[in-house]
Amino acid sequence: NAGVTQTPKFRILKIGQSMTLQCTQDMNHNYMYWYRQDPGMGLKLIYYSVGAGITDKGEVPNGYNVSRSTTEDFPLRLELAAPSQTSVYFCASSYSPRDRVNFGDGTRLSIL
Amino acid sequence: RKEVEQDPGPFNVPEGATVAFNCTYSNSASQSFFWYRQDCRKEPKLLMSVYSSGNEDGRFTAQLNRASQYISLLIRDSKLSDSATYLCVVNLDTGRRALTFGSGTRLQVQP
Repeated sequence: NAGVTQTPKFRILKIGQSMTLQCTQDMNHNYMYWYRQDPGMGLKLIYYSVGAGITDKGEVPNGYNVSRSTTEDFPLRLELAAPSQTSVYFCASSYSPRDRVNFGDGTRLSIL
Repeated sequence: RKEVEQDPGPFNVPEGATVAFNCTYSNSASQSFFWYRQDCRKEPKLLMSVYSSGNEDGRFTAQLNRASQYISLLIRDSKLSDSATYLCVVNLDTGRRALTFGSGTRLQVQP
């Protein structure tokens, strides 16, 4: 019972590089989310999806893109990495927006 | 005013103590309430849902006060392993597509 799986767990990028953070869930949840958490701070919603083919912006979407081609997968793309994007990124899923959220164990990203 | 507000702490308590956290939320139409626990550099994990009538899970008790728009978490007989950050989580209204997380209250239980 894997739940929400994120890869990679750690990554160091140079300024201007691009990368995709992978997220997959096996609970058949329609709702999926990407959050970032800066050191000592709370979670901020980047993007969310309510089902395959449907995505929308959260609080802090600038510098990121997402896609949702299947129910299971919700990758997050950083196009031009900037030091301000150094953070821990959490992917999460839920049955509905009123239900408990299940988190992956995070991707720790440093941009130097 | 933040939509979900918590005292950041830290709350430093001795083992065996009882400690309580409050969290206020901005929208009286809010429908779902949770407490999550987050250990340092780990993902948040559900501690308990919060129901209108209040609910208990072992040493943990959660209460909801809709009139005053706050939820509370009471921890009895604190253990060293309770040291963590406790996140208040609310679905603020029916139009929201995601839960809103408070910034968390840090608890440090000392021997």
